[in-house]
Amino acid sequence: AQSVTQPDIHITVSEGASLELRCNYSYGATPYLFWYVQSPGQGLQLLLKYFSGDTLVQGIKGFEAEFKRSQSSFNLRKPSVHWSDAAEYFCAVGAGRGSTLGRLYFGRGTQLTVWP
Amino acid sequence: KAGVTQTPRYLIKTRGQQVTLSCSPISGHRSVSWYQQTPGQGLQFLFEYFSETQRNKGNFPGRFSGRQFSNSRSEMNVSTLELGDSALYLCASSLEPYKLRTNYGYTFGSGTRLTVV
Repeated sequence: AQSVTQPDIHITVSEGASLELRCNYSYGATPYLFWYVQSPGQGLQLLLKYFSGDTLVQGIKGFEAEFKRSQSSFNLRKPSVHWSDAAEYFCAVGAGRGSTLGRLYFGRGTQLTVWP
Repeated sequence: KAGVTQTPRYLIKTRGQQVTLSCSPISGHRSVSWYQQTPGQGLQFLFEYFSETQRNKGNFPGRFSGRQFSNSRSEMNVSTLELGDSALYLCASSLEPYKLRTNYGYTFGSGTRLTVV
Protein backbone atom coordinates (compact mmCIF):
# COMPACT_ATOMS: atom_id res chain seq x y z
CA ALA A 1 0.00 0.00 0.00
CA GLN A 2 1.07 3.53 -0.63
CA SER A 3 2.27 5.64 2.29
CA VAL A 4 4.15 8.85 2.94
CA THR A 5 6.38 9.70 5.88
CA GLN A 6 7.39 13.19 6.86
CA PRO A 7 9.87 12.62 9.70
CA ASP A 8 9.87 16.19 10.97
CA ILE A 9 6.70 17.35 12.69
CA HIS A 10 7.99 20.85 13.33
CA ILE A 11 10.93 22.80 11.92
CA THR A 12 12.09 26.25 12.92
CA VAL A 13 14.43 28.32 10.76
CA SER A 14 15.58 31.92 10.70
CA GLU A 15 14.48 34.17 7.89
CA GLY A 16 17.03 34.00 5.09
CA ALA A 17 18.27 30.56 6.06
CA SER A 18 17.99 27.56 3.77
CA LEU A 19 15.28 24.97 4.23
CA GLU A 20 14.90 21.27 3.54
CA LEU A 21 11.75 19.34 4.39
CA ARG A 22 12.00 15.59 4.19
CA CYS A 23 9.57 13.20 2.59
CA ASN A 24 9.83 9.44 2.14
CA TYR A 25 7.26 7.41 0.27
CA SER A 26 6.34 3.79 -0.13
CA TYR A 27 4.94 2.73 -3.46
CA GLY A 28 5.65 -0.23 -5.70
CA ALA A 29 5.68 1.56 -9.03
CA THR A 30 6.73 4.96 -10.32
CA PRO A 31 4.97 7.42 -8.08
CA TYR A 32 3.38 10.74 -8.78
CA LEU A 33 4.68 13.04 -6.04
CA PHE A 34 3.40 16.36 -4.80
CA TRP A 35 4.15 19.02 -2.24
CA TYR A 36 1.30 21.15 -0.94
CA VAL A 37 1.32 24.06 1.51
CA GLN A 38 -1.46 24.99 3.88
CA SER A 39 -1.83 28.28 5.74
CA PRO A 40 -4.02 28.41 8.86
CA GLY A 41 -7.69 28.03 8.03
CA GLN A 42 -6.99 27.55 4.35
CA GLY A 43 -7.01 24.75 1.84
CA LEU A 44 -4.01 23.17 0.19
CA GLN A 45 -1.97 24.99 -2.43
CA LEU A 46 0.14 22.99 -4.86
CA LEU A 47 3.83 23.93 -4.69
CA LEU A 48 5.21 21.44 -7.20
CA LYS A 49 4.78 17.99 -8.62
CA TYR A 50 6.81 15.17 -10.11
CA PHE A 51 5.49 12.76 -12.70
CA SER A 52 8.55 11.68 -14.65
CA GLY A 53 11.67 12.99 -16.33
CA ASP A 54 14.03 15.43 -14.67
CA THR A 55 14.35 14.49 -11.03
CA LEU A 56 14.84 18.09 -9.90
CA VAL A 57 11.51 19.86 -10.01
CA GLN A 58 10.96 23.59 -9.76
CA GLY A 59 7.84 24.96 -8.15
CA ILE A 60 6.22 28.19 -7.13
CA LYS A 61 7.51 30.61 -4.48
CA GLY A 62 11.13 29.58 -5.11
CA PHE A 63 10.71 25.98 -3.94
CA GLU A 64 12.28 22.96 -5.56
CA ALA A 65 12.25 19.25 -4.83
CA GLU A 66 14.43 16.35 -5.85
CA PHE A 67 13.13 12.86 -6.54
CA LYS A 68 15.57 10.13 -5.49
CA ARG A 69 14.25 6.72 -6.42
CA SER A 70 17.04 4.85 -4.63
CA GLN A 71 16.13 6.54 -1.36
CA SER A 72 12.35 6.72 -1.98
CA SER A 73 12.56 10.38 -1.14
CA PHE A 74 11.16 13.63 -2.46
CA ASN A 75 12.64 16.37 -0.29
CA LEU A 76 11.53 19.97 -0.59
CA ARG A 77 14.11 22.74 -0.54
CA LYS A 78 14.32 26.50 -0.59
CA PRO A 79 17.62 28.42 -0.54
CA SER A 80 16.37 31.41 1.45
CA VAL A 81 13.22 31.31 3.57
CA HIS A 82 10.88 34.28 3.92
CA TRP A 83 8.67 34.96 6.91
CA SER A 84 5.63 34.39 4.66
CA ASP A 85 6.72 30.77 4.15
CA ALA A 86 5.57 29.89 7.66
CA ALA A 87 2.84 27.30 7.14
CA GLU A 88 2.28 23.57 7.15
CA TYR A 89 3.73 21.54 4.32
CA PHE A 90 2.36 18.24 3.07
CA CYS A 91 3.99 15.69 0.86
CA ALA A 92 1.66 13.42 -1.10
CA VAL A 93 1.95 10.44 -3.40
CA GLY A 94 -0.56 9.71 -6.11
CA ALA A 95 -1.30 6.23 -7.31
CA GLY A 96 -0.61 5.79 -10.97
CA ARG A 97 -2.62 2.68 -11.60
CA GLY A 98 -5.34 0.35 -10.49
CA SER A 99 -8.28 0.94 -8.23
CA THR A 100 -6.58 3.75 -6.36
CA LEU A 101 -5.71 5.75 -9.47
CA GLY A 102 -6.10 9.43 -8.77
CA ARG A 103 -6.23 9.08 -5.01
CA LEU A 104 -3.66 11.04 -3.01
CA TYR A 105 -1.93 9.68 0.09
CA PHE A 106 -0.66 12.43 2.35
CA GLY A 107 2.06 12.61 4.95
CA ARG A 108 1.23 13.99 8.39
CA GLY A 109 2.72 17.34 7.52
CA THR A 110 5.64 19.48 8.70
CA GLN A 111 4.88 22.73 10.48
CA LEU A 112 7.38 25.43 9.52
CA THR A 113 8.07 28.35 11.85
CA VAL A 114 10.20 31.22 10.60
CA TRP A 115 12.05 33.49 13.04
CA PRO A 116 12.56 37.09 11.97
CA LYS B 1 -10.81 31.74 -13.48
CA ALA B 2 -12.64 30.92 -10.27
CA GLY B 3 -11.11 28.28 -8.02
CA VAL B 4 -12.76 25.45 -6.17
CA THR B 5 -15.62 26.81 -4.07
CA GLN B 6 -16.78 25.09 -0.93
CA THR B 7 -19.83 26.11 1.04
CA PRO B 8 -20.42 26.74 3.80
CA ARG B 9 -17.03 27.70 5.25
CA TYR B 10 -18.07 26.95 8.81
CA LEU B 11 -20.75 24.74 10.26
CA ILE B 12 -21.78 23.76 13.77
CA LYS B 13 -24.02 20.73 14.19
CA THR B 14 -25.30 18.62 17.06
CA ARG B 15 -24.56 14.94 17.50
CA GLY B 16 -27.07 12.80 15.67
CA GLN B 17 -27.88 15.41 13.05
CA GLN B 18 -26.94 15.16 9.42
CA VAL B 19 -25.03 17.64 7.28
CA THR B 20 -24.53 18.36 3.60
CA LEU B 21 -21.43 20.08 2.25
CA SER B 22 -21.14 21.50 -1.24
CA CYS B 23 -18.26 21.78 -3.67
CA SER B 24 -18.18 23.59 -7.01
CA PRO B 25 -15.13 22.59 -9.05
CA ILE B 26 -13.10 24.76 -11.35
CA SER B 27 -14.95 25.35 -14.60
CA GLY B 28 -14.22 22.47 -16.96
CA HIS B 29 -13.05 20.12 -14.24
CA ARG B 30 -15.07 16.94 -14.11
CA SER B 31 -13.47 15.06 -11.24
CA VAL B 32 -14.14 15.93 -7.61
CA SER B 33 -12.46 14.35 -4.61
CA TRP B 34 -13.19 14.78 -0.94
CA TYR B 35 -10.75 14.60 1.98
CA GLN B 36 -11.17 14.80 5.71
CA GLN B 37 -8.48 16.57 7.73
CA THR B 38 -8.19 16.11 11.49
CA PRO B 39 -5.30 16.67 13.90
CA GLY B 40 -5.36 13.02 14.90
CA GLN B 41 -5.63 11.29 11.53
CA GLY B 42 -4.30 13.90 9.14
CA LEU B 43 -5.61 14.06 5.59
CA GLN B 44 -7.71 11.08 4.63
CA PHE B 45 -9.37 10.33 1.32
CA LEU B 46 -13.14 10.03 1.40
CA PHE B 47 -14.23 9.48 -2.20
CA GLU B 48 -13.88 10.64 -5.76
CA TYR B 49 -16.52 11.33 -8.35
CA PHE B 50 -16.24 11.59 -12.10
CA SER B 51 -19.10 11.94 -14.55
CA GLU B 52 -21.62 11.56 -11.72
CA THR B 53 -20.16 8.19 -10.72
CA GLN B 54 -18.22 7.33 -7.60
CA ARG B 55 -14.91 5.97 -8.90
CA ASN B 56 -13.02 5.48 -5.69
CA LYS B 57 -13.85 5.32 -2.00
CA GLY B 58 -11.76 5.51 1.15
CA ASN B 59 -12.21 3.64 4.42
CA PHE B 60 -15.05 5.57 5.97
CA PRO B 61 -18.34 4.24 7.35
CA GLY B 62 -21.49 4.30 5.29
CA ARG B 63 -22.63 7.43 7.13
CA PHE B 64 -20.41 9.31 4.72
CA SER B 65 -21.84 9.56 1.25
CA GLY B 66 -21.64 11.83 -1.72
CA ARG B 67 -22.89 12.53 -5.16
CA GLN B 68 -22.02 14.52 -8.23
CA PHE B 69 -24.38 16.41 -10.46
CA SER B 70 -24.35 16.79 -14.22
CA ASN B 71 -22.64 20.18 -13.89
CA SER B 72 -19.84 18.47 -11.90
CA ARG B 73 -20.80 20.11 -8.63
CA SER B 74 -20.56 17.67 -5.78
CA GLU B 75 -22.11 17.28 -2.38
CA MET B 76 -21.09 15.10 0.51
CA ASN B 77 -23.44 14.09 3.27
CA VAL B 78 -22.72 12.83 6.75
CA SER B 79 -25.61 11.30 8.63
CA THR B 80 -25.92 10.65 12.36
CA LEU B 81 -23.06 12.95 13.21
CA GLU B 82 -20.55 11.94 15.85
CA LEU B 83 -18.14 14.14 17.79
CA GLY B 84 -15.28 12.53 15.87
CA ASP B 85 -16.64 13.86 12.60
CA SER B 86 -15.45 17.34 13.58
CA ALA B 87 -12.90 18.16 10.92
CA LEU B 88 -11.93 20.30 7.99
CA TYR B 89 -13.48 18.79 4.87
CA LEU B 90 -11.57 19.58 1.71
CA CYS B 91 -12.73 19.23 -1.82
CA ALA B 92 -10.37 18.98 -4.78
CA SER B 93 -11.07 19.11 -8.47
CA SER B 94 -9.20 18.02 -11.56
CA LEU B 95 -9.89 17.69 -15.26
CA GLU B 96 -10.15 13.93 -15.07
CA PRO B 97 -8.87 11.40 -12.54
CA TYR B 98 -6.91 9.37 -15.05
CA LYS B 99 -4.80 12.11 -16.52
CA LEU B 100 -2.58 13.27 -13.72
CA ARG B 101 0.15 13.87 -16.25
CA THR B 102 -1.74 16.58 -18.03
CA ASN B 103 -4.01 18.17 -15.51
CA TYR B 104 -1.48 19.42 -13.01
CA GLY B 105 -2.85 17.35 -10.21
CA TYR B 106 -5.66 18.40 -7.96
CA THR B 107 -6.72 21.92 -6.98
CA PHE B 108 -8.10 22.21 -3.48
CA GLY B 109 -10.77 24.47 -2.09
CA SER B 110 -10.50 26.29 1.24
CA GLY B 111 -12.58 23.68 2.99
CA THR B 112 -15.60 23.49 5.26
CA ARG B 113 -14.87 23.48 8.96
CA LEU B 114 -17.44 21.20 10.62
CA THR B 115 -17.80 21.24 14.38
CA VAL B 116 -20.01 18.64 16.02
CA VAL B 117 -21.15 19.44 19.58
